[in-house]
Amino acid sequence: AQKVTQAQTEISVVEKEDVTLDCVYETRDTTYYLFWYKQPPSGELVFLIRRNSFDEQNEISGRYSWNFQKSTSSFNFTITASQVVDSAVYFCALSEARTSGSRLTFGEGTQLTVNP
Amino acid sequence: DGGITQSPKYLFRKEGQNVTLSCEQNLNHDAMYWYRQDPGQGLRLIYYSQIVNDFQKGDIAEGYSVSREKKESFPLTVTSAQKNPTAFYLCASSIPGSSYNSPLHFGNGTRLTVT
Repeated sequence: AQKVTQAQTEISVVEKEDVTLDCVYETRDTTYYLFWYKQPPSGELVFLIRRNSFDEQNEISGRYSWNFQKSTSSFNFTITASQVVDSAVYFCALSEARTSGSRLTFGEGTQLTVNP
Repeated sequence: DGGITQSPKYLFRKEGQNVTLSCEQNLNHDAMYWYRQDPGQGLRLIYYSQIVNDFQKGDIAEGYSVSREKKESFPLTVTSAQKNPTAFYLCASSIPGSSYNSPLHFGNGTRLTVT
């Protein structure tokens, strides 16, 4: 069965610090997608990134970067020079090709607080 | 602007009453989903629909019902059979409906409190 684990329940940093959110996943499928979503206090989840299981290239988008390592089944998310606006709950999610529809399995989320 | 509208934002009900949560999208998406979020937990799938007039149970469908009579609408009814209905409910949609790699677009959610 598929599973996503975000071991860090809460992280608190001071503005401008770098922070890494960990995500470890389990799947028996060889074809799958991994996602990160951000949930600000307003409640709506915002899609950040999607990565397929055949593409282990790291990705950088502004202050955000993602490190995908199949060898350790991890898909970690780093925010460089954090800002107060980054404060939110971040979810990692997994979708397997053999599962019908875009059925995502979510991790429990990491509450990130960036203090000024 | 296109998006997903959930209403109301806050909903209060007495135990034993059925309640219906609204979800409307104007993104022309085929698939729609209902997730439940509890404090400190990830999102869990209640029901999903890949096409009009068809829907499937998710991981925690007991005590819930849905309908998909129009592409734009996917209402969720929380019945009195749901033992612990107090939670934050999120509606989502995606295109195409059968693709596992489609990112989900979410509404702002409805916080249901049952006392």
